[in-house]
Amino acid sequence: QSVLTQPPSVSGAPGQRVTISCTGSSSNIGAGYDVHWYQQLPGTAPKLLIYGNSNRPSGVPDRFSGSKSGTSASLAISGLQAEDEADYYCQSYDSSLSGYVFGTGTKVTVL
Amino acid sequence: EVQLVESGGGLVQPGGSLRLSCAASGFTVSSNYMSWVRQAPGKGLEWVSVIYSGGITYYADSVKGRFTISRDNSKNTVYLQMNSLRPEDTAVYYCARMYYDFWSGYFDCWGQGTLVTVSS
Repeated sequence: QSVLTQPPSVSGAPGQRVTISCTGSSSNIGAGYDVHWYQQLPGTAPKLLIYGNSNRPSGVPDRFSGSKSGTSASLAISGLQAEDEADYYCQSYDSSLSGYVFGTGTKVTVL
Repeated sequence: EVQLVESGGGLVQPGGSLRLSCAASGFTVSSNYMSWVRQAPGKGLEWVSVIYSGGITYYADSVKGRFTISRDNSKNTVYLQMNSLRPEDTAVYYCARMYYDFWSGYFDCWGQGTLVTVSS
């Protein structure tokens, strides 16, 4: 049972902008711990997409952006492309659990 | 090139044991934080365990007392010893390198994963 909640699915047409929310609590995101995002293409290992709430690793297109506010965070994908169809997970640290936690995951579908 | 290669997965009966290995190249495991993350079939990601560069270890409540993370610096390899396995431990197990500071711990490099199936 994950402590970070994401919508199960989001969809959009090519070129559109979609956002994925990640809702936590006062023991994780709200406590000040950073939020990170991963992309998992079908049949592959997860890949770091956003770290430290809003930073992109080298090689990640600037179509991907992240933000954090209060006990929540968001991932935005602008100019949606067919290759963006994947599962996306947020991740943080939880002080009550003394461990790292992932979101429930969101499947992005490109219509 | 930074790379992680897991091995050791397979089919095991409930109550059995298995040891997973994660061989690293391109960096030194003893200088980094290393974790195991698992993903049950069709499910989301679940953090399992971490070993810090100083040797301190932490576990998810779901595996505490049954799993042990360790490393062999001479082989630049991280291990996950899994005992008293249960059907709910069935998953792909990923090894991942972590970046860490007090407010920010994330997984910046992942292996390809190894499948563990616990079934009679």
